[in-house]
Amino acid sequence: GEDVEQSLFLSVREGDSSVINCTYTDSSSTYLYWYKQEPGAGLQLLTYIFSNMDMKQDQRLTVLLNKKDKHLSLRIADTQTGDSAIYFCAERARGSYIPTFGRGTSLIVHP
Amino acid sequence: KAGVTQTPRYLIKTRGQQVTLSCSPISGHRSVSWYQQTPGQGLQFLFEYFSETQRNKGNFPGRFSGRQFSNSRSEMNVSTLELGDSALYLCASSPGQNYGYTFGSGTRLTVV
Repeated sequence: GEDVEQSLFLSVREGDSSVINCTYTDSSSTYLYWYKQEPGAGLQLLTYIFSNMDMKQDQRLTVLLNKKDKHLSLRIADTQTGDSAIYFCAERARGSYIPTFGRGTSLIVHP
Repeated sequence: KAGVTQTPRYLIKTRGQQVTLSCSPISGHRSVSWYQQTPGQGLQFLFEYFSETQRNKGNFPGRFSGRQFSNSRSEMNVSTLELGDSALYLCASSPGQNYGYTFGSGTRLTVV
């Protein structure tokens, strides 16, 4: 079956890099996503990566995919207090319309 | 371009009542999905509609139902409310299978 796992919390100092990790079990995953949820809001799509890629960079965000280990990470460079939020990893299997979400990692950025 | 709009934002109901939540997707998005978010269970998929047809369904009891109209707007209904139905209900729309979702801000349902 499909399962996506993330650690629940990450605390970093402002200005440092944050790395949020995610593992998934479905080897047929085609797209992998990172979403951000701020308090009182819905989820915002940050970035996504196709399974035949191993890296994608978008401004301060870098996504790394290790397909062999089924491991996905999101690196946020120069983390700011405004980056404090819950970050969700999600994967969509081949032939499926519905992504499976992880439980989310709460990123806390302190001065 | 307007985002995904969910109404109402907040709702308080008593056990046994029924509730209807509304979602207007981004113009041109034909796929609308509903999720229940709780601290204990995370994001749980309820159902997905495409062109007025329920295309996928999650593992929720029959008290949870939905529909989609010809203009892609969607509603979900929960009958005979239970305390455990208290949650943030999120609607998301997508233009197609290879794209991510755009989520609404959600409806916070509290059952007392």
